[in-house]
Amino acid sequence: GAVVSQHPSRVICKSGTSVKIECRSLDFQATTMFWYRQFPKKSLMLMATSNEGSKATYEQGVEKDKFLINHASLTLSTLTVTSAHPEDSSFYICSVGVAGDTGELFFGEGSRLTVL
Amino acid sequence: GQNIDQPTEMTATEGAIVQINCTYQTSGFNGLFWYQQHAGEAPTFLSYNVLDGLEEKGRFSSFLSRSKGYSYLLLKELQMKDSASYLCAARDSNYQLIWGAGTKLIIKP
Repeated sequence: GAVVSQHPSRVICKSGTSVKIECRSLDFQATTMFWYRQFPKKSLMLMATSNEGSKATYEQGVEKDKFLINHASLTLSTLTVTSAHPEDSSFYICSVGVAGDTGELFFGEGSRLTVL
Repeated sequence: GQNIDQPTEMTATEGAIVQINCTYQTSGFNGLFWYQQHAGEAPTFLSYNVLDGLEEKGRFSSFLSRSKGYSYLLLKELQMKDSASYLCAARDSNYQLIWGAGTKLIIKP
């Protein structure tokens, strides 16, 4: 498997500020990481696929200028929510997929963002 | 379109058995996953099925019927700690995961 660490676990910020969330793969070199957001009682929604050394691939409807993704190394990807607004309040989760028979995802602990 | 359906909420008694159903419609198929998610936490992997039949793993078993687009997760000898949401996810021909909204399982003593 893979151990994925996400930081911070909770963040509260004022509207208009930017927030950076880090996702680290502690024991696995991840060329690809996935960023999800989840609203209460809703499904996981894939926001973007983060690719080491290149631009992230964003899902339809996700603003790339709003959600900046940087994957500068094989163990670290960051998601920056720029000029956050209350509607950006959500649970953001990163994950790593391990190649193999199943290719299941290993998730970070998640980051709860609250924008006031 | 692609879609996953699973019940929103289920209630069961400690020590009993519960079956959580999931139906899926995807463009192609490359496996069916079940994840457990406790409130406020990230999902953790439970099971994977790609061939028809039952996969047993301790108290948890998962079943798949590809022809029916149907899977279920069976939990035996329920414990209070099993109270969580259970997410069904199907992988399509592009290896993209399509997620269900999750089934919240409430265990009562």
